Amino acid sequence: AQKITQTQPGMFVQEKEAVTLDCTYDTSDQSYGLFWYKQPSSGEMIFLIYQGSYDEQNATEGRYSLNFQKARKSANLVISASQLGDSAMYFCAMREDTGFQKLVFGTGTRLLVSP
Amino acid sequence: GAVVSQHPSWVICKSGTSVKIECRSLDFQATTMFWYRQFPKQSLMLMATSNEGSKATYEQGVEKDKFLINHASLTLSTLTVTSAHPEDSSFYICSAMGARRNQPQHFGDGTRLSIL
Repeated sequence: AQKITQTQPGMFVQEKEAVTLDCTYDTSDQSYGLFWYKQPSSGEMIFLIYQGSYDEQNATEGRYSLNFQKARKSANLVISASQLGDSAMYFCAMREDTGFQKLVFGTGTRLLVSP
Repeated sequence: GAVVSQHPSWVICKSGTSVKIECRSLDFQATTMFWYRQFPKQSLMLMATSNEGSKATYEQGVEKDKFLINHASLTLSTLTVTSAHPEDSSFYICSAMGARRNQPQHFGDGTRLSIL
C-alpha cells in the first residue's frame, strides 16, 4: 500500500527566506506521481507542483521546486523567497499511475511566514 | 487553468435531512471525480471515486447508502449525504480529472457541512 509521511507538523520561516517542507513516500509501484498542494485557511486545495517518478530533473514552478530523491523516496518542497501569503497547510500526495489514479495524502505541514 | 466549482460552500441543517453537494468541472470534461472528507486539522480522506456513467467506487469503511454519489455527465458529480446526523459534520471537497493521464487533480473550494 502507498504511504506518504510528512514529519513536520509545523514550520516557521521569516519573510524572504527559503524553507523546505519534507515528504517521504513508500510504494512498490515503479510508475507514480508526486504532488504538492497548498490549503489556505479558506479550505481550497491549490495545486503547486508535480513530479513524475521517471522525471530525471527536479520539477520547478516559479518559487516552488521539488527536491526529488528517488533512491531515498523523498520529495521535499522548497519554497524560495517566502511571502506572508505562503502561510497555509501544505500537503504532499502520491498518485498511483494505474487504475483510478487516486491520490494518497500526507498529514500536512502548517507553514507560518513571519514578517 | 482548469476550474472546478463546488456548491454550496456552507450548509447548516437539522439532523435527519439530506444534503446534496454539487461538483462541476467548468472548462474540461471530467472523466473521473473524487470525493474527500476532511476533519479539522487533519488530512484529506478519500471517500469514493466516480467515473461518468458508472457506479462510484467507495473506499473501505465509507457507507454507500449514506453517501450517495452520482456522476451523470462529464461535468457534474453530486454527493448526497442522506439522513445527516451531527457526526456527518465535516468539510467535503471534490476533485476532478480529465481523460489525459498524469494530469493533476483540480479541486473545488469545498463544502462545510454542519448538522445541528
